[in-house]
Order: sequence, then C-alpha cells, then structure tokens
Amino acid sequence: EIVLTQSPATLSLSPGERATLSCRASQSVSSYLAWYQQKPGQAPRLLIYDASNRATGIPARFSGSGSGTDFTLTISSLEPEDFAVYYCQQRSNWRGAFGQGTKVEIK
Amino acid sequence: EVQLVESGGGLVKPGGSLRLSCAASGFTFSSYSMNWVRQAPGKGLEWVSSISSSSSYIYYADSVKGRFTISRDNAKNSLYLQMNSLRAEDTAVYYCARDSPGGSCYDYWGQGTLVTVSS
Repeated sequence: EIVLTQSPATLSLSPGERATLSCRASQSVSSYLAWYQQKPGQAPRLLIYDASNRATGIPARFSGSGSGTDFTLTISSLEPEDFAVYYCQQRSNWRGAFGQGTKVEIK
Repeated sequence: EVQLVESGGGLVKPGGSLRLSCAASGFTFSSYSMNWVRQAPGKGLEWVSSISSSSSYIYYADSVKGRFTISRDNAKNSLYLQMNSLRAEDTAVYYCARDSPGGSCYDYWGQGTLVTVSS
C-alpha cells in the first residue's frame, strides 16, 4: 500500500507570498501524482495532474514538480482565494490514496 | 457541462444499511471509470472504491471491503454505493468522482452527500 505524507500540516503565509507544499510517497508513483484544492463546504477541485500539468482553468501561479517519490506544489504569489486545504493523490494504481492535506492559512 | 449529483445520504443506526446514488450528466458515462471518496467531519479525503467503465474491475479500501458494494448502471448514467453493516466511523461526506480520460486523476467531483451513523 502506497502512503503519501504531506508537509507541512499548516502553512501560515500572507497574500503575495510564495507557498511551497511537499508530498512524499512511500514508494515510487512515477509521475502519477495529482493535487487538489478544497475550500470549506466545497468538493475538492483538481489543480495539477501527472505531477506537473495544470488542469483546465487553473491559473499559472499554480505549478507542480517532481517524480518518483518526491513532489512539490508551488503557488508563486498567494491570492486571497488560495487560502484552503491542499491534498495530493497518487494514481499509480487503482487505490487512489490521498495525503493527509496541507492547510494554507492567512498569517 | 459535466455534472455529478449524489443522493441517498442520511442518518442511520449502527449496523444499518444505506444506498448512495450518483447521477451523471454532460459526458458519456459509459466511457469513464468512477470512484467514491469520503471525508469524515474535520478530516482528510479517503478513497473508498473504484469501478471501471464496464464494471470489469472493482476495488475497495480495506476499511470497507466486505461491507460496501460499488456498482453502476450505464443505461441510467448512474453510480451506486451499497453500504451495509455501517459503523460510526463510516460517518462522512461521500463524494462521487470521475476518472480523467487518462486515469491519472479525478477531474470532476460531485458536491457530496452526508452519511451519519449514530444511535
């Protein structure tokens, strides 16, 4: 079973700052890694798929990188609407395990 | 426009059963694998179950194996989750989600339906 570990659990930043979120897999998932954003009371929204591809309509300030076991989601300059919880998910197999999430909060 | 609409949630006693439905529209349902994901109150996302487009492949999380059954009716553009022997720890919002065409992510999600297991 592949386990995804996200860090940090909480990131306290100000609007305009850069956010760097990490996701580490317990074994290689190649590039089959996705990132989602979830706001309170809403369903998750796909941001990044295949580690580095932005989903339709996602702003360019969101970028993903990595392969194998180490992945990063970067938000280059935080907008007020970016404060939310972010989850990574592996799709190297059918068991689409999620990380535990990183909350990006306003400092 | 792709739409996924869950229904069937509610309050059920421990040991009881519930059947969730997910009505799909705006895409060729029979061409996509589908999934159920749940989120306990204040917790993270947990993958529950997946089913391939023709129901040939079905997978469950260990936490629900033997108690939950995923199914689909391509003629009705609908996904289902039959939940039996429910436990308090099954309390969560249940989302249905579509696999992307390449199968590497969940590209569309419903708004979720709340299942509460309590006496």
